[in-house]
Amino acid sequence: DIQMTQSPSFLSASVGDRVTITCQASQDIDGSLSWLQQRPGRAPKVLIYDASRLEVGVPPRFSGGGSGTLYSFTISGLQPEDIATYYCQQYQIFPPAFGGGTRVDI
Amino acid sequence: EVQLVESGGDFVQPGASLRLSCTASGFTLGNYDVYWIRQAPGEGLEWVSGITPAGDTSYGDSVKGRFIVSRENAINFVYLQMNSLRDGDTAVYYCVRVWGATGLSDYWGQGTLVTVSS
Repeated sequence: DIQMTQSPSFLSASVGDRVTITCQASQDIDGSLSWLQQRPGRAPKVLIYDASRLEVGVPPRFSGGGSGTLYSFTISGLQPEDIATYYCQQYQIFPPAFGGGTRVDI
Repeated sequence: EVQLVESGGDFVQPGASLRLSCTASGFTLGNYDVYWIRQAPGEGLEWVSGITPAGDTSYGDSVKGRFIVSRENAINFVYLQMNSLRDGDTAVYYCVRVWGATGLSDYWGQGTLVTVSS
């Protein structure tokens, strides 16, 4: 099975800051990676899929990139409503696998 | 609007059985693969099981032999039968739609809480 290593596990930043999370897969996942946001007490929601494609309705301050085994997720201009835990998920190779999550606080 | 709704979560003792249900609105559930993904309290996400439209099933190692996933496409339901429950099965269980052949988990239900404790 593929292992997903996500870092950092926690970050604290100020409103307006740019924050970046990385995710490393144990093998090439060919861009089949999504980023999910989970607000406290809520279900996860897909923000980005195929490494860099924004889901409809997701603000453009969220972006993703990467290829092969290394991927990144950026919030350009952190907002109070962005307080959440963010997960990466690979779906190239079955079974799907998740990173350990990054809790973002302000 | 695409929605998935889980039900059936409860507080049970170790060794008990429980059946979770998932239904959908805004699309035909029977046309999609469905995953069950769980999240233990304060922990991350773990894939539990999957089922194709044709009924082919798969399971994570931690539940293999104890959980059974099934579906009734005619009434738009997917089920997760959980047997021989353990303390470690305590989690919120999410029903998740899988988009086409991509494997992308695109829509998630709100989750249902299963608590296993003596």
